Amino acid sequence: DIVMTQSPDSLAVSLGERATINCKSSQSLSYISNNKNSLAWYQQRPGQPPKLLLYWASTRESGVPDRFSGSGSGTDFTLTISSLQAEDVAVYYCQQNSGPPYTFGQGTKVEIK
Amino acid sequence: EVQLVQSGAEVKKPGESLKISCQGSGYTFTTYWIGWVRQVPGKGLEWMGDIYPRDSDTRYNPSFQGQVTISADKSISTTYLQWSSLKASDTAMYFCARHTVDSDCFDSWGQGTLVTVPA
Repeated sequence: DIVMTQSPDSLAVSLGERATINCKSSQSLSYISNNKNSLAWYQQRPGQPPKLLLYWASTRESGVPDRFSGSGSGTDFTLTISSLQAEDVAVYYCQQNSGPPYTFGQGTKVEIK
Repeated sequence: EVQLVQSGAEVKKPGESLKISCQGSGYTFTTYWIGWVRQVPGKGLEWMGDIYPRDSDTRYNPSFQGQVTISADKSISTTYLQWSSLKASDTAMYFCARHTVDSDCFDSWGQGTLVTVPA
């Protein structure tokens, strides 16, 4: 199985400041055929199901604010929230969708400082 | 609007059986894989397996193979997750989620079904 490791486990950021979450996979997630990476990011607010934010490592899902962006390739990926808002308090997960079994990172909790 | 609506919370005893459901609407149910994801209270997300409702082709995470059964009834746009003998360690929130066609991530999620099996 592909192991996904996120860092940090939690972070506290002031409103309006940048939040950065890292995700590392134990195997490359790059698709040679389409030059894309099989990596998705989700946001889970307290008491809610996860919500898809980004797929193919950097493509925003419809309706997701542009303060959320993704980057990276191969085994190292980053989710950036450019200007943290109060509604961004949540746990964020990366997930590899290279193939089953699909695996998630352990989650990163984002709070307001 | 795509919707996945799950059955309600359950409290069961160890050794009992259980079947929870997930009904899809707002899209062509038979042409998208539906996955089941476990979340133990306070913990992360684990993919358990999924099903393609058109032909009931099913894939399981080896960690859950033999522990649960995933099925579907395409006539009522519903998938199921069932246990034949629950354990206390099955206490968790269970989500169903729709795979996207091209990228295989989960673009729509059910609201979750909390299963509680007191020790």
